[in-house]
Amino acid sequence: GQNIDQPTEMTATEGAIVQINCTYQTSGFNGLFWYQQHAGEAPTFLSYNVLDGLEEKGRFSSFLSRSKGYSYLLLKELQMKDSASYLCAVRDLGGGSGGYNKLIFGAGTRLAVHP
Amino acid sequence: DAMVIQNPRYQVTQFGKPVTLSCSQTLNHNVMYWYQQKSSQAPKLLFHYYDKDFNNEADTPDNFQSRRPNTSFCFLDIRSPGLGDAAMYLCATSSPPLSSYNEQFFGPGTRLTVL
Repeated sequence: GQNIDQPTEMTATEGAIVQINCTYQTSGFNGLFWYQQHAGEAPTFLSYNVLDGLEEKGRFSSFLSRSKGYSYLLLKELQMKDSASYLCAVRDLGGGSGGYNKLIFGAGTRLAVHP
Repeated sequence: DAMVIQNPRYQVTQFGKPVTLSCSQTLNHNVMYWYQQKSSQAPKLLFHYYDKDFNNEADTPDNFQSRRPNTSFCFLDIRSPGLGDAAMYLCATSSPPLSSYNEQFFGPGTRLTVL
């Protein structure tokens, strides 16, 4: 089956560092995405990993270990505006016509940043 | 700016009354997706189009239909909305698969209320 697990909620302090973990079990794997979603808004792309290791992008970094089925998103120098849900999504080649970019999402981790 | 547009942002319908949600894109992407997202849950893929080819997810109820008259537009039709269909409906697009990381770009969503 397909399963993606993330903690439901996390809290952190402004200026601190937080790590959001994601574990996955999927029938196929062709990359892992992290999306940010503010309440009532669409998800926006944060990062992508397809090879093992760390990808850094400003205040955000994402790590992948394919052998362990594990990823994390690291947010540094937290700001109040980082309060949002963070969705882990695995890309599976879903078949269909011509193959396509099928994402399987986790339920998201709701991060609350407080002063 | 290239983008994904959804109209309306908020839609109220009555139990059993057909409703259509619309999505348009200026990204010229081949693939368009419809997701259903209920509160605090993962976005759930309903179906997608690769160009004109329609691909339905196995567990998508027959109550949900879709049309894609051209590259830019895609519609979600709910034939007889039930109370359980109240959710945020997200439209997304992506470029052809297997090229770079071709992230999915999401529209702002339509929040559907069923009375």
